[in-house]
Amino acid sequence: GQNIDQPTEMTATEGAIVQINCTYQTSGFNGLFWYQQHAGEAPTFLSYNVLDGLEEKGRFSSFLSRSKGYSYLLLKELQMKDSASYLCAVRAFSGAGSYQLTFGKGTKLSVIP
Amino acid sequence: ETGVTQTPRHLVMGMTNKKSLKCEQHLGHNAMYWYKQSAKKPLELMFVYSLEERVENNSVPSRFSPECPNSSHLFLHLHTLQPEDSALYLCASSLGIWNGYTFGSGTRLTVV
Repeated sequence: GQNIDQPTEMTATEGAIVQINCTYQTSGFNGLFWYQQHAGEAPTFLSYNVLDGLEEKGRFSSFLSRSKGYSYLLLKELQMKDSASYLCAVRAFSGAGSYQLTFGKGTKLSVIP
Repeated sequence: ETGVTQTPRHLVMGMTNKKSLKCEQHLGHNAMYWYKQSAKKPLELMFVYSLEERVENNSVPSRFSPECPNSSHLFLHLHTLQPEDSALYLCASSLGIWNGYTFGSGTRLTVV
């Protein structure tokens, strides 16, 4: 099975930087995704890491360490619209001939003025 | 709009009803998925279809029955549901089962 942990809630101030951590335990690891989900809306893709290191995309960056089973999502210059849930998802070979994407419970980020 | 359309957006049904959820994508994706999202729980994978064939069924009760008539459409047929089945049901699609997913906005299901 897979175990994915991320904090339940975080609060940060507009304009600041926030780091959302995700730890995982899995076999057959084949990539880690971050999604953003606003209340009542579809999750939307933010980033993807399969190799160790940092991937930067505008205000958002994502880091992966496969040996530590650890990833983080870094959000810079926070804006009020960044208030949302951030879902960490691990893709692994399911053993049934396919890959499976397993999600963490999500981190609800509240950005305050 | 994400390119994955789900209908209806909201559904209230009794435990003896039969209803169907519909998902449609015209992104050229060839894999489609059903996920269940309950409060304070992670997204739970229910079914995976790749090239219109079911490749995963994550021990979902038989009161949920998926159907994938072609690569653009996915249905979830519901019958004799329980109140604990109330949740947000999300459809997603991808180009190949190894790529990132595009999600629909979901159907908020309430079983009374």
